[in-house]
Amino acid sequence: GESVGLHLPTLSVQEGDNSIINCAYSNSASDYFIWYKQESGKGPQFIIDIRSNMDKRQGQRVTVLLNKTVKHLSLQIAATQPGDSAVYFCAENMGYGQNFVFGPGTRLSVLP
Amino acid sequence: SQTIHQWPATLVQPVGSPLSLECTVEGTSNPNLYWYRQAAGRGLQLLFYSVGIGQISSEVPQNLSASRPQDRQFILSSKKLLLSDSGFYLCAWSPGQGLFNIQYFGAGTRLSVL
Repeated sequence: GESVGLHLPTLSVQEGDNSIINCAYSNSASDYFIWYKQESGKGPQFIIDIRSNMDKRQGQRVTVLLNKTVKHLSLQIAATQPGDSAVYFCAENMGYGQNFVFGPGTRLSVLP
Repeated sequence: SQTIHQWPATLVQPVGSPLSLECTVEGTSNPNLYWYRQAAGRGLQLLFYSVGIGQISSEVPQNLSASRPQDRQFILSSKKLLLSDSGFYLCAWSPGQGLFNIQYFGAGTRLSVL
């Protein structure tokens, strides 16, 4: 498959541990954020989103935290599994009619 | 449910040859459509987007063009490929209306220009 992110930051976690992936976004006017998961050779898959009027949103095994003061977004994955190994991207949207800007991604590697 | 199809999955083309990548969406009407390129070690770069038939916006100057001949069809083309056109190309769609819309991606096409 496609070698996505050969030089990406890598986070290695033990299976069963929690993972925290961080993202710094660029524009204080951004009001909508999405986390995507991309496995090798595949397109990005939606994981979870959050609007700027929220600080936290939870999904199944995932939590997104938004700190607008420091323009920081994080994705927490509980009880990380081998299937979670992938590249994770954050994307910010600066409002209605604007397009998303994607971060460079972080590679998550789950160790057995 | 909505689905997005993108083909081919892989493509090897000589320099100077033409290109046509196709993307279709099912299960929705009037979607916004997008073409992205992804280089190794980088995020997604938006190339083109379309809010309707025949309406194409280009984000970066390049050797590529896009067309939307039908509501749910988006085509990425080139008349003469360059080596620098190699990459992973992704098509995406989002609902055409609403304020906070998720973009859904196709499986991608890996293009190698030799």
